[in-house]
Amino acid sequence: DQQVKQNSPSLSVQEGRISILNCDYTNSMFDYFLWYKKYPAEGPTFLISISSIKDKNEDGRFTVFLNKSAKHLSLHIVPSQPGDSAVYFCAASAIRGNKLVFGAGTILRVKS
Amino acid sequence: DTAVSQTPKYLVTQMGNDKSIKCEQNLGHDTMYWYKQDSKKFLKIMFSYNNKELIINETVPNRFSPKSPDKAHLNLHINSLELGDSAVYFCASSRDYANTGELFFGEGSRLTVL
Repeated sequence: DQQVKQNSPSLSVQEGRISILNCDYTNSMFDYFLWYKKYPAEGPTFLISISSIKDKNEDGRFTVFLNKSAKHLSLHIVPSQPGDSAVYFCAASAIRGNKLVFGAGTILRVKS
Repeated sequence: DTAVSQTPKYLVTQMGNDKSIKCEQNLGHDTMYWYKQDSKKFLKIMFSYNNKELIINETVPNRFSPKSPDKAHLNLHINSLELGDSAVYFCASSRDYANTGELFFGEGSRLTVL
């Protein structure tokens, strides 16, 4: 039962262009959403988050969009840089507690 | 200075053996976790401790026993290892139990059961 789905296993983007990573969820109790980035042989690191009371959150080159009615969120990276090449995990949690539910990840490759 | 450190990073062992993975965080956080990343790459929570008290215990076989001697340490002991236990195990911490999900992860411990 995958409550958080990242349907694209991988994405390849040219340096300087926009990267869009997508995530869908099924549990309507989720109200906090996060993106984590993971390099090989390292643990995931927190990137950006969004609460369900918002539909957009921006931090530098990274913007997360939330569409609650569609149960969909996306991460935009503009402009993409080669150092952004990593696995990106979408995660969600319900209002109480912090039992994060993760997607399977999307491998982003930014070509120079 | 590593914030969340796990040892060992790699562990290769035979079925039926017992092994432990240690985790320490120097962030002063109250809450620690163990996550398992299986072959399908999903990260799934196994346990969570808040100030040495167990608060989350997912459906994990009782061969897995976490121990938190203090709030900076959360160790994972696995008895009678099985092939399906092969995975990468990540330790993580957060400021407190009510924290809204910003976890700090260790580098992971890759367990291979032969």
